Amino acid sequence: SQQGEEDPQALSIQEGENATMNCSYKTSINNLQWYRQNSGRGLVHLILIRSNEREKHSGRLRVTLDTSKKSSSLLITASRAADTASYFCATGESQGAQKLVFGQGTRLTINP
Amino acid sequence: EAQVTQNPRYLITVTGKKLTVTCSQNMNHEYMSWYRQDPGLGLRQIYYSMNVEVTDKGDVPEGYKVSRKEKRNFPLILESPSPNQTSLYFCASSWGGSSSYEQYFGPGTRLTVT
Repeated sequence: SQQGEEDPQALSIQEGENATMNCSYKTSINNLQWYRQNSGRGLVHLILIRSNEREKHSGRLRVTLDTSKKSSSLLITASRAADTASYFCATGESQGAQKLVFGQGTRLTINP
Repeated sequence: EAQVTQNPRYLITVTGKKLTVTCSQNMNHEYMSWYRQDPGLGLRQIYYSMNVEVTDKGDVPEGYKVSRKEKRNFPLILESPSPNQTSLYFCASSWGGSSSYEQYFGPGTRLTVT
């Protein structure tokens, strides 16, 4: 079952600009995670934000979580060509099986 | 180096020929899982394992089997592959249940069934 839905599906910006991606979900969650995937490769974990947290930072990444709106955003500041990848949100549901449910991702392209 | 390894990385096979994709992690993680990734469908969980000898179905388990006889290994078995199992497969591991911990992913296995 798909839980997280990313928006936009694709985003193209100039190097140095900020990139914002959004994720919406449907059920109660324990946490929400963001992953990056370079073309055809394995996913790399970026940030985990728990349901009782509102904002989290890691380097140039900033994640917010609004549980009342069931949404999250990932902001990448001062983008670089190396940030070109697909970004996925994944939700850990608070009830039921111990699993992550992934969205379909946002394809981010950073133009030099 | 902490890692999840998968083998083979690429595989082309024919319908009905049994195959196994291996997955191994060196981080002493309890939780392991298998996903498939298809265009337009994202990542979907096939099976997961909370610990040795404990496995359970994910969202798309039909046509797959798994076993967890050792903590480090979690092979994915396709007893009779079909073309609709052509996909990119990922193994992942974590300290505990994936809803609470970050997942470490393997590099992927691209499977083509003709």
